[in-house]
Amino acid sequence: DMKVTQMPRYLIKRMGENVLLECGQDMSHETMYWYRQDPGLGLQLIYISYDVDSNSEGDIPKGYRVSRKKREHFSLILDSAKTNQTSVYFCASSLSGLGGPEQYFGPGTRLTVL
Amino acid sequence: GQGVEQPAKLMSVEGTFARVNCTYSTSGFNGLSWYQQREGQAPVFLSYVVLDGLKDSGHFSTFLSRSNGYSYLLLTELQIKDSASYLCAVRDPGGYKVVFGSGTRLLVSP
Repeated sequence: DMKVTQMPRYLIKRMGENVLLECGQDMSHETMYWYRQDPGLGLQLIYISYDVDSNSEGDIPKGYRVSRKKREHFSLILDSAKTNQTSVYFCASSLSGLGGPEQYFGPGTRLTVL
Repeated sequence: GQGVEQPAKLMSVEGTFARVNCTYSTSGFNGLSWYQQREGQAPVFLSYVVLDGLKDSGHFSTFLSRSNGYSYLLLTELQIKDSASYLCAVRDPGGYKVVFGSGTRLLVSP
């Protein structure tokens, strides 16, 4: 059963705290993504990972960093979270190079920064 | 760079059809995907098009015109459960990035 998981599903943090969002996939997909989704703005790409330790900035990387030490895991880190990072964060994976036509999304993490 | 535009809302009636439009501007093109996203849930892949013309997939069909930077998703025999947001996504030919439109929220009424 192909699956992308995200932990935690809901998170409340105070401004200035560090945040770790975790994503896992069981499909051995090479490419993984982190997006955030805000009302009216759609999905915005934060980072792409092409494989282990091979990551690239997306359209809005400022304030975020990522880590991928195993193919099946991709983490998003917010060092000193800001209130404008309150959002829903989605992780996704795809099969092959050039991103593959189909991205599989995790259920999302709803982050609130107070 | 690429811009992907979609109307914010669309309303239709159960048993009829709905056409969700998407326009894009790009310096190159490497395919366009459609996703369905229900309220509070993750996007789910529906279709991918890379060649011009109509691709009939039953309940969902997609059309692409590369020369006009235009695509649409056609839903026929609408059901109430088709009420959802529909996202258009264009693949950046320069890399692995995919640019999403902000989505069209379709409301199907009885």
